[in-house]
Amino acid sequence: KQEVTQIPAALSVPEGENLVLNCSFTDSAIYNLQWFRQDPGKGLTSLLLIQSSQREQTSGRLNASLDKSSGRSTLYIAASQPGDSATYLCAVRKTSYDKVIFGPGTSLSVIP
Amino acid sequence: DTEVTQTPKHLVMGMTNKKSLKCEQHMGHRAMYWYKQKAKKPPELMFVYSYEKLSINESVPSRFSPECPNSSLLNLHLHALQPEDSALYLCASSSRGTTDTQYFGPGTRLTVL
Repeated sequence: KQEVTQIPAALSVPEGENLVLNCSFTDSAIYNLQWFRQDPGKGLTSLLLIQSSQREQTSGRLNASLDKSSGRSTLYIAASQPGDSATYLCAVRKTSYDKVIFGPGTSLSVIP
Repeated sequence: DTEVTQTPKHLVMGMTNKKSLKCEQHMGHRAMYWYKQKAKKPPELMFVYSYEKLSINESVPSRFSPECPNSSLLNLHLHALQPEDSALYLCASSSRGTTDTQYFGPGTRLTVL
């Protein structure tokens, strides 16, 4: 059974810092991994999706990497801003027809 | 347009009421999902529709009844809910192509009294 964990559970950093969020999964046979952001009481916003054949994806200040063999993904946020404050969730899918398994999330607070 | 819309935004209902949640997307996606999310927890999958057919039911109680009338619409009919069913209900959609990114709606905040 696939299990997804995220470390740390919460993170507080001063504005301008670069930071890394971690996601680990127990079954390396995945179809893709997706990073989401969720603001309090809101829906999820897709940030980056990495297919199993890819090693990383970049969008603006965000870079996500995937190491299937070790069951790990990282989300790198460069030059953090207060607007980046949110909960960040990673989610893995085993096949294109399987359900998505979410990690518990990392709550990020960027202090001005 | 990468938008998934959900109505209503908020819903308060009694345990004997019947209500429905609605979700709509016009991205041509053929997979649609219902998730339930409790406070400070990740979303939990409830149902998946693929090409308007129910493909996954995560052992959800029968007081939740999904319906997919066409490829753009997804409903969740609610009846005889319990207070512990109070949560944020999220709808999502995705294509079945190479990207398979899930796009989420803003959710319906449900309170059962």
